[in-house]
Amino acid sequence: QKEVEQDPGPLSVPEGAIVSLNCTYSNSAFQYFMWYRQYSRKGPELLMYTYSSGNKEDGRFTAQVDKSSKYISLFIRDSQPSDSATYLCAMSGPTGGFKTIFGAGTRLFVKA
Amino acid sequence: DAGVIQSPRHEVTEMGQEVTLRCKPISGHDYLFWYRQTMMRGLELLIYFNNNVPIDDSGMPEDRFSAKMPNASFSTLKIQPSEPRDSAVYFCASRRTGDNYGYTFGSGTRLTVV
Repeated sequence: QKEVEQDPGPLSVPEGAIVSLNCTYSNSAFQYFMWYRQYSRKGPELLMYTYSSGNKEDGRFTAQVDKSSKYISLFIRDSQPSDSATYLCAMSGPTGGFKTIFGAGTRLFVKA
Repeated sequence: DAGVIQSPRHEVTEMGQEVTLRCKPISGHDYLFWYRQTMMRGLELLIYFNNNVPIDDSGMPEDRFSAKMPNASFSTLKIQPSEPRDSAVYFCASRRTGDNYGYTFGSGTRLTVV
């Protein structure tokens, strides 16, 4: 079993839709939970991060962490064609020196 | 800051040749990471350095891969001899101590071994 599981998609939605992206994980020592966005032929860029459990909102993006279920989510409201990218969840914890483990990434297409 | 700088952006080489990928981290960042990304395996951590010292190379696939960081502003990843299965995008990333929540990635080197 992988430490971090993420459905690779692809996920195709119409413009304006609410998008839900999810990951599950197995290592209860993870403390930092991140979402990266990667456009085609570019490096991943940090979109949001959360420490421990709870929610965090930034504009149209909301990150949620449920440590009891070992489940994290990223919600995108009013999705735009410019949101079309691959979204990777990532996690780190004190074991392994906060080495970050990435999910496989979910490809998202937002149709105009 | 110019961000993490990688070179070359693209590399096409023949099987058996030596390949050297280069990375300049962000100034002041004391951690440097080398990742490999493929469709099948996603982003895999190959090796990381702290203060120019290799800390964990358990992700390096085999002895054909080696990495060095001679100073705080430069690192190389070398593959010798290269094989077609090494074809992937190789990313370098860096961060500061205490920034446990994320890295800054370079734009990657797309390696094709024919």
